[in-house]
Amino acid sequence: EIQLVESGGDFVQPGRSLRISCAATGSGFDDYAMHWVRQGPGKGLEWVSGISWNGGSEGYAESVKGRFTISRDNVNNYLYLQMDSLRVEDTAMYYCTKVGQGSGPYHNRGDWFDPWGQGTQVTVSA
Amino acid sequence: DIQMTQSPSSLSASVGDGVSITCRASQSISTYVNWYRHKPGEAPRLLIYASSNLPSGVPSRFSAGGSGTEFFLNIADLRPEDFATYFCQQSYSAPPTFGQGTKVEIK
Repeated sequence: EIQLVESGGDFVQPGRSLRISCAATGSGFDDYAMHWVRQGPGKGLEWVSGISWNGGSEGYAESVKGRFTISRDNVNNYLYLQMDSLRVEDTAMYYCTKVGQGSGPYHNRGDWFDPWGQGTQVTVSA
Repeated sequence: DIQMTQSPSSLSASVGDGVSITCRASQSISTYVNWYRHKPGEAPRLLIYASSNLPSGVPSRFSAGGSGTEFFLNIADLRPEDFATYFCQQSYSAPPTFGQGTKVEIK
């Protein structure tokens, strides 16, 4: 069973960049699409980005498109999110999560998210 | 994007009670709905996938169903660990979207 641990969250100023990471332990990381989901203060869950098992397919929420880049390292079992031109509204707890079903594009109809990491906090403020 | 609207936004109940949460989609999504429980400071946990299926390890006091645009999550015999926020999520089309959450509080 895969377990996920996020890291790299920090307090940054608007306009700066930050890369957060998600380390996966257990077997099968490279068989599954992976996603980032965030929860801002007092808000619900918001999907941010997803990447297929081999990195060949990516997707982004409109709110981060052109500023965030998702990537993965299937040798060392890591998922990354490069966040550029950060805004105050990007302040959130960021969770990485694995899809329940196997290989394919970043989004497959019928997919679910399981498991999730415990999150890493990103705070953007002047 | 498909909008998911949950009701109620919050509810109060006692240990041992049963509660029900509904989720409405802005368009028909067949049975492509998942449910999660999220407690502060913890990782969200998958409770239900594909409208009515319980993953291994999820207690049978959780049940769910629905299709098209209307979905429900029932929790019987509330336990202390069930006081949390519950989210529905559609996986019919990209981008995946979540309901705004239903907070279940102790009465």
